[in-house]
Amino acid sequence: GAGVSQSPSNKVTEKGKDVELRCDPISGHTALYWYRQSLGQGLEFLIYFQGNSAPDKSGLPSDRFSAERTGGSVSTLTIQRTQQEDSAVYLCASSQKSSGIPFEQFFGPGTRLTVL
Amino acid sequence: DAKTTQPNSMESNEEEPVHLPCNHSTISGTDYIHWYRQLPSQGPEYVIHGLTSNVNNRMASLAIAEDRKSSTLILHRATLRDAAVYYCILRGSNYKLTFGKGTLLTVNP
Repeated sequence: GAGVSQSPSNKVTEKGKDVELRCDPISGHTALYWYRQSLGQGLEFLIYFQGNSAPDKSGLPSDRFSAERTGGSVSTLTIQRTQQEDSAVYLCASSQKSSGIPFEQFFGPGTRLTVL
Repeated sequence: DAKTTQPNSMESNEEEPVHLPCNHSTISGTDYIHWYRQLPSQGPEYVIHGLTSNVNNRMASLAIAEDRKSSTLILHRATLRDAAVYYCILRGSNYKLTFGKGTLLTVNP
């Protein structure tokens, strides 16, 4: 079946511009996660959605970052007034369930964001 | 989240077994041990997880020390496609995965 997809695969933008990154999770997965990975680093948790519950936004680095998940499926991560330090690979993952039994997370290929 | 310690890099030869160690001395009783790997230019991929007993699946085996303060991911016959960064992660009752820098595995032909 189809895995997690993300678009665009690459995004180059100028400092100060807004960007939107899209994630299509695996059908039926109720949990959706956003992470970012700076060059040579591990993954940094950003935000988590579970069903209709309020999202956990504790990992968002600043108020320039926001995310939404419409209809319990597709999610969009928005970065306003981008800065050069926002340059990274943004990864989306989904899983069947997030608590109790630790269901595996399935990751998308990521969006490489470059802020000039 | 409890911390894990892994070697920065390891090297193996093709078709030989690989033992990737992970120390997690501050693990709590409810923490699961997860392993993910990340191939070049791809998102991470789940490998295996366990709690107390050793685990086997089609990709690898996970050996967990009796005191649970360390674990070892075992690739029984390394292939060139196994070259990746391997992450050992402790996951408690919440959903977050906290990735460290992992171990970069190089497989020589």
